[in-house]
Amino acid sequence: SQQGEEDPQALSIQEGENATMNCSYKTSINNLQWYRQNSGRGLVHLILIRSNEREKHSGRLRVTLDTSKKSSSLLITASRAADTASYFCATDKGAGTALIFGKGTTLSVSS
Amino acid sequence: GAVVSQHPSWVICKSGTSVKIECRSLDFQATTMFWYRQFPKQSLMLMATSNEGSKATYEQGVEKDKFLINHASLTLSTLTVTSAHPEDSSFYICSALRGPGTPQETQYFGPGTRLLVL
Repeated sequence: SQQGEEDPQALSIQEGENATMNCSYKTSINNLQWYRQNSGRGLVHLILIRSNEREKHSGRLRVTLDTSKKSSSLLITASRAADTASYFCATDKGAGTALIFGKGTTLSVSS
Repeated sequence: GAVVSQHPSWVICKSGTSVKIECRSLDFQATTMFWYRQFPKQSLMLMATSNEGSKATYEQGVEKDKFLINHASLTLSTLTVTSAHPEDSSFYICSALRGPGTPQETQYFGPGTRLLVL
């Protein structure tokens, strides 16, 4: 069953702008991850944040995690047209468990 | 990084036929693999957990007799869609779990298999 809810469902911005996507989940988690998926393609792993972490950076990506609110955000700074894709958060409940994906945010970056 | 392959990458079949999709971990052994399904413009939904040497565990609402999973070796899990119907048309993605129970535990996803049932 899906656990996460992302908002917005769709986001359209101009190149150079920042894009922020949010994810909420329902039950306690072990890790939260963000993935990107280009249209009709496989998943690309972006970043993992553990339940005891609050913020993590990777290049132009910044992820925050608020376990008290059961939410996470993904910030993409200085967006590029190549960032156009669907973004999903995914949570797991512990070692060896499957990932539960949110509904995703479709990001469109126009040049 | 670890590589997981899927074969075929896409398949078109007639209604009523069966289709087998393979998921292989190419450079590590995976006792656990997962199968997901993604309908157009939707998210990935977990279908089942495949464990080497034992029966798969299916999620609620997924018919085990229709979606046969066989995890016969530490590097291969197969998903067979039996008597496929147009509503089974979807993108099927597998993942393989590397280093379960360790701090380095990671799921690696295959590139997906697009199934179209006519």
